[in-house]
Amino acid sequence: EDQVTQSPEALRLQEGESSSLNCSYTVSGLRGLFWYRQDPGKGPEFLFTLYSAGEEKEKERLKATLTKKESFLHITAPKPEDSATYLCAVQAGSGNQGGKLIFGQGTELSVKP
Amino acid sequence: KAGVTQTPRYLIKTRGQQVTLSCSPISGHRSVSWYQQTPGQGLQFLFEYFSETQRNKGNFPGRFSGRQFSNSRSEMNVSTLELGDSALYLCASRSGTAQYEQYFGPGTRLTVT
Repeated sequence: EDQVTQSPEALRLQEGESSSLNCSYTVSGLRGLFWYRQDPGKGPEFLFTLYSAGEEKEKERLKATLTKKESFLHITAPKPEDSATYLCAVQAGSGNQGGKLIFGQGTELSVKP
Repeated sequence: KAGVTQTPRYLIKTRGQQVTLSCSPISGHRSVSWYQQTPGQGLQFLFEYFSETQRNKGNFPGRFSGRQFSNSRSEMNVSTLELGDSALYLCASRSGTAQYEQYFGPGTRLTVT
C-alpha cells in the first residue's frame, strides 16, 4: 500500500535556527514528490516538485531534496513568517492515477522571534 | 492569472441534508481533483475529473459524487450528510494529464450539525 510518513509532527525553532523536515514514502512507481505549505484555514500552497533521486530545488530559505526512499525540506535561518504546516505528497502509479496525491500528515512548524 | 476559486467558503448543514460545493480551476487547466481534510485523517483524495470524465476515485462512499462541466468548472455533492462529513473540502487543478503539479483553492469549510 502506498504510504507517506512525515516527521516530526511538530517542530519549534528559534528564529535563525536551521533544521530539516523529513518525508519518507513507500509507493509503487513514484511519478513525483511534492511539498506544500498550509497556513491555518487556507488551502495548501505549492512549493516544490521533485521527480528523481538526487534532485534538489531551492526557494528563498527552503531547499528540498529527494532520495529513493525519502525527501527532506531544509529550512535555513527561518523567520516567524515561515511558521505553517508543511505537507509532503506523492503521485504514484500509472495510467489514470495522475490526479491522485497521497499526503503525509504534515509537520507543524513554529518559529519564535 | 487567477487561482483556483471555491464557493461557498463556509457552510453549515444538518444531518441528512445534501450539499453541493463548487470549484473553478485556474484558467486553461482541464483537470480538477477534490480532497477532504480532517484533523484525524489529514488530506484524502476523493476523485479527479478531466474533460468532464471521472478518471480516478478514492475510497469514499457513494454519497460523495461529482461532475465537471465543459468549461472545466466542477461540483461535488454529498448526500445524506453525516456528522463525520464535517471537514475542509479542497479543490485542486492541474493543466493536463502530463503535468502532475496541483494548485489548491482556499477550500470550503463544511460543518454538519
